[in-house]
Amino acid sequence: DAGVIQSPRHEVTEMGQEVTLRCKPISGHNSLFWYRQTMMRGLELLIYFNNNVPIDDSGMPEDRFSAKMPNASFSTLKIQPSEPRDSAVYFCASSLLGTSGYEQYFGPGTRLTVT
Amino acid sequence: ELKVEQNPLFLSMQEGKNYTIYCNYSTTSDRLYWYRQDPGKSLESLFVLLSNGAVKQEGRLMASLDTKARLSTLHITAAVHDLSATYFCAARDDKIIFGKGTRLHILP
Repeated sequence: DAGVIQSPRHEVTEMGQEVTLRCKPISGHNSLFWYRQTMMRGLELLIYFNNNVPIDDSGMPEDRFSAKMPNASFSTLKIQPSEPRDSAVYFCASSLLGTSGYEQYFGPGTRLTVT
Repeated sequence: ELKVEQNPLFLSMQEGKNYTIYCNYSTTSDRLYWYRQDPGKSLESLFVLLSNGAVKQEGRLMASLDTKARLSTLHITAAVHDLSATYFCAARDDKIIFGKGTRLHILP
């Protein structure tokens, strides 16, 4: 399996622009997670989906952030409009709900820089 | 609300030494995870601990879980430079919560 795939790997944009991050989970996994990692705040869970349904979005920082999962093999995280404080590495992870371990497998991340 | 605390947050040690990283969590969790992250890289799963008294070992790393004390440990035996990384523990109630990570630097 190719593992969790994220695109783009790096994104540099100007403040006010819309940013869309993409994730393809491991085939057969039914849970998907979006995380943000910064030096100051560490690793934060933004939102997670089970069977394509958003379960908990309490970590989404503001209304500028939105996430969708239109099908089992694709999810997006959108920031509109972007701000410099959104600069971070965004990770997507997937897991198989129902297994005893419920282990998460992380993608390579998208490094976002907002200038 | 589940909280996860690791200590130490930074650790510099010499090759060949043993050391332990501690992970405390605040409420009941049905599983405990350890991850490794190299600089600029993603997180790699090391261990998943599911029950009280669980112990897992992989090479020079050994993880254990005491659910009564709400404590997990990651023990490093005879450290080598290649183990330099940041190690995260995570616990789960209805969602997985990560600790802040322990940045481990092993001096050759």
